[in-house]
This record gives sequence, C-alpha cells and structure tokens, in this order.
Amino acid sequence: EVVLTQSPDFQSVTPKETVTITCRASQSIGSSLHWYQQKPDQSPKLLIKYASQSFSGVPSRFSGSGSGTDFTLTINSLEAEDAATYYCHQSGSLRYTFGQGTKLEIK
Amino acid sequence: EVQMVQSGAEVRKPGATVKISCTVSGYTLTDYYLHWVRQAPGKGLEWMGRLDPDDGETIYADNFQGRLTMTADTSRNTAYMELRGLTSEDTAVYYCAPGGVAGGPVGPNGFFDYWGQGTLVAVSS
Repeated sequence: EVVLTQSPDFQSVTPKETVTITCRASQSIGSSLHWYQQKPDQSPKLLIKYASQSFSGVPSRFSGSGSGTDFTLTINSLEAEDAATYYCHQSGSLRYTFGQGTKLEIK
Repeated sequence: EVQMVQSGAEVRKPGATVKISCTVSGYTLTDYYLHWVRQAPGKGLEWMGRLDPDDGETIYADNFQGRLTMTADTSRNTAYMELRGLTSEDTAVYYCAPGGVAGGPVGPNGFFDYWGQGTLVAVSS
C-alpha cells in the first residue's frame, strides 16, 4: 500500500497569505496525485488532478506541483472561504489511498 | 448533468450487514469504475475499493478483504456496496464516486470529480 503523509496536519493563516501543503508518498507514483477540499458536512471537491492540472471551475489561486514522491498544493492569496480540510489522493497503485488531511483555519 | 444519489442513513447492530446503493445519472454506469470511500466521524477519507460495472471485477483495500462486496445492476444504473460483520469502527459516512468522468472513457480516470451525497451508517448496540 502506498502511504501518503501530509504536512502540516493543521495550519492557522490570515487572509491574503500564501499556504503550501505537502504530500509525500512512500513510493513513486509518477504524477498520479490529486488534491481535494472538504468543508464540514460536505462531500469532497476536486481541486487538482494529476499533480498539476487544475480542475474546471476551481479558482486560479489553487495550484499543484510535484512528481514521484513529493507533491505540493499551493493556495495563493487565501480567502476566508478556503477554510477547509485538504486531502491528497493517489491513483498510482492498484489500491488507492488518501493522505490524513490538512486542516486550514483562517484567522 | 452527472449525479450520484445514494440510499438513506442506516443503523445496524454489531455483527450485522449493511448494503448501500448508489444510483447514477448523466452518464452510463459501465463507462467508468465506481469507487467507494468512507469517512469516520472527525476522521479522514479512506478508499475502500472499486468496481468495474462492465464486467463486475473488483479491487478491495486490504482492510476490507473478506467482508466487503461491490456489485452493480446495470439495468438500473445502480451500484451497491455491502459490508458484513459490522463493528463500531465501521460507523462512518460512505461515499460513491465514479473514476474520473472528466477524463472520458479513454482516461486517465484516477481522480474523483463527482461524489455522491454520502450515506451515514451508524453501528451501535
């Protein structure tokens, strides 16, 4: 099983800041890494697919990068509505897995 | 418009079985794998497995081997997830999600761009 480890687990930030969340895979997964945003009592929403491809309708302040084992999600100029938990997810192996999540609090 | 509508909340006793449905619309069920993901209260997302509705092939996460079955009724455009031997640790919201509709039938389809609304399963004596 590919283990995904996100850091940090929690971050408190102010509006307009830039945030970077990292996701490290226990083995190489190429670019088969995707990012989701989840708010309380909602289904997750896809932000980035295949490491760096923005999903339709997602604000341009969300971007992704990386390949192999190390990936990042960057959120530029944070807005209050970005308060949520963010998950990475890999499809590079037969059995998919998710990271443990990063909770983002906006001060 | 692609949509997944899941069956309603369930309450079960320990040791029981639950079967949840996921009815899709806006696309043909057999065009994409159908995945199941669960989330325990206050916890993260856990991939459970996936079904190929076209031929019934399944891949399950190791955690569920032996007590999880995924099936589909293509005539009803509906997929099912059955979990047996429930314990309190199975209390969670269960989601269905097709594999990467935006990738088209050719793919790649490793991401989840559409999700069901979730079904709460509560296991309690």
